[in-house]
Amino acid sequence: GAGVSQSPSNKVTEKGKDVELRCDPISGHTALYWYRQSLGQGLEFLIYFQGNSAPDKSGLPSDRFSAERTGGSVSTLTIQRTQQEDSAVYLCASSLEAVKNIQYFGAGTRLSVL
Amino acid sequence: QKEVEQNSGPLSVPEGAIASLNCTYSDRGSQSFFWYRQYSGKSPELIMFIYSNGDKEDGRFTAQLNKASQYVSLLIRDSQPSDSATYLCAPESNSGYALNFGKGTSLLVTP
Repeated sequence: GAGVSQSPSNKVTEKGKDVELRCDPISGHTALYWYRQSLGQGLEFLIYFQGNSAPDKSGLPSDRFSAERTGGSVSTLTIQRTQQEDSAVYLCASSLEAVKNIQYFGAGTRLSVL
Repeated sequence: QKEVEQNSGPLSVPEGAIASLNCTYSDRGSQSFFWYRQYSGKSPELIMFIYSNGDKEDGRFTAQLNKASQYVSLLIRDSQPSDSATYLCAPESNSGYALNFGKGTSLLVTP
């Protein structure tokens, strides 16, 4: 696609429910990243994918968070048993493997946990 | 977590003036530095990056880097109302891929 696509753009859920956030990176970008942006905070790194594998999951805040990537393309971030502190904008970015720091961001998914 | 400090602002400048956005970082190992612009409700977009000490100019934007002082800045000349946004400073982390973002400086350019 022309850019990084994320869905849904907004998600409202009840505390304790599971949610899935989707990211479709730029075609040809093998590196994919998830960040979280909470109100008044900077972007917080969550996870990095190199192809379908995730060599760095160090930013995932708890074991309720997981992510996968299939076919070297679409990635899904899953949050189980959501808590109110999970409310944030979840941003996905992708890049060429050779130029990892030049990252292109999607519009994000705004998650609200009631 | 390595610290990246930015004045949250808002920084208000009149149209046509120079806006100066500053950032300090704690990780002496950072080699590359990125400036992203984020309009309200939108995703961050890369506007500048700098690797070497000194100045790097791109149109109305100039990035300045001083690794000894652990300081990076972004100057916007001839500021326009369309420059009003939050500017995020992002040194490369020691992972070589994750970016350590500051909280950003909100810039308001008034007509």
